[in-house]
Amino acid sequence: DIQMTQSPSSLSASVGDRVTITCRASQDISLSLAWYQQKPGKAPKLLLYAASRLETGVPSRFSGRGSGTDYSLTISSLQPEDFATYSCQQYYSTPLTFGGGTKVEIK
Amino acid sequence: EVQLLESGRDLVRPGGSVRLSCVASGFTFSPFAMNWVRQAPGKGLEWVSTIRGSGDGTYYADSVKGRFTISRDNSRNTLYLEMNSLRAEDTAIYYCAKARLSTSHDFQPLDYWGQGTLVTVSS
Repeated sequence: DIQMTQSPSSLSASVGDRVTITCRASQDISLSLAWYQQKPGKAPKLLLYAASRLETGVPSRFSGRGSGTDYSLTISSLQPEDFATYSCQQYYSTPLTFGGGTKVEIK
Repeated sequence: EVQLLESGRDLVRPGGSVRLSCVASGFTFSPFAMNWVRQAPGKGLEWVSTIRGSGDGTYYADSVKGRFTISRDNSRNTLYLEMNSLRAEDTAIYYCAKARLSTSHDFQPLDYWGQGTLVTVSS
């Protein structure tokens, strides 16, 4: 199984801050990585796929990069609606696996 | 508008069974692989199962293999998860989720999710 190690598990930031979350796979997943945003009591929302492709309707302040085993999600200027939990997921092979999540809180 | 609406019994005894349903609307259901993903209270997301659009291929997490069965009825635009021999650790919100593209790739990002249905396994 491919393990997804996400860090940090939580962070505090202010509106306008630049925030970066990282995800490391236990083996090469060849860009088969998605990022999701989840707010309390709601279903996850797809933000990016193929490591760096923005899903339709997602603001351009979200971006993703990486290759091989190392990936990151960056929010260029944190907005009030961005306070949520973010999770990465590899879909390179079964079992599909998720990172443990990063909770972004207001400082 | 794509909608996925899950339903199913919410409180089950250990060792019991339950069938979850997910009714899809707003898109052509049959070409897309569908998934079940669960989230235990206060925990992260865990993939449970995937079924191909045609229904002729299924995949399971080891934690549910042999106990859960995913299926679909494309004539009814409905996805199912039959859950047997339930354990306390199966307590979670269960989400159905749609594969992003209708391609031959079984494993894809999940672009639409239902609201989730809570299954509690407790005596």
